[in-house]
Amino acid sequence: DMKVTQMPRYLIKRMGENVLLECGQDMSHETMYWYRQDPGLGLQLIYISYDVDSNSEGDIPKGYRVSRKKREHFSLILDSAKTNQTSVYFCASSLSSSNERLFFGHGTKLSVL
Amino acid sequence: GDSVTQTEGQVTVSESKSLIINCTYSTTSIAYPNLFWYVRYPGEGLQLLLKVITAGQKGSSRGFEATYNKETTSFHLQKASVQESDSAVYYCALAPNSGGSNAKLTFGKGTKLSVKS
Repeated sequence: DMKVTQMPRYLIKRMGENVLLECGQDMSHETMYWYRQDPGLGLQLIYISYDVDSNSEGDIPKGYRVSRKKREHFSLILDSAKTNQTSVYFCASSLSSSNERLFFGHGTKLSVL
Repeated sequence: GDSVTQTEGQVTVSESKSLIINCTYSTTSIAYPNLFWYVRYPGEGLQLLLKVITAGQKGSSRGFEATYNKETTSFHLQKASVQESDSAVYYCALAPNSGGSNAKLTFGKGTKLSVKS
């Protein structure tokens, strides 16, 4: 079906709470990504996962961690969320790390109050 | 590091008129990067519109064209006659062409195109 699904679509959390953003893909893609986009900025790469338990920091990993225990699932975790982590988070996948055709989810709008 | 600069904010064009969204890039890599345009239609995720990996070549898709100009480090997106269905947010992006993890894309801020009838 060639889909990347993100849950939830909208999330409101208080500062200091833990946040779990989930992403799934049905294409058996090796590589998955987490990006965030803030108003007036381009998408910024948080983490990249090359396969199960093979994760690498992107450009802005501080304050985030990820988990990939199955190829089709990639989670982004914020331990003790901060207000400056309010953003729209996008998950994406690609066939491999050398394939630049990324498939994106709809995004999760996270507000940390 | 790498960076991409594109037409800021929102562009409004009347249906059947021409469109150009500017994109310029900067890279610290020795090799010429691969260049892309992604698009996000309302209610959908970003998707690849077109890509060009060779300087001097032109890519095209859905009536849109972009030419990779290494002299001016530009990759402008053009369409001769826009339609209402082209209303979306367009992102210019580059990826290093240095082997290995080419898919670490650097994106521009996005340009919102509104086509009015």
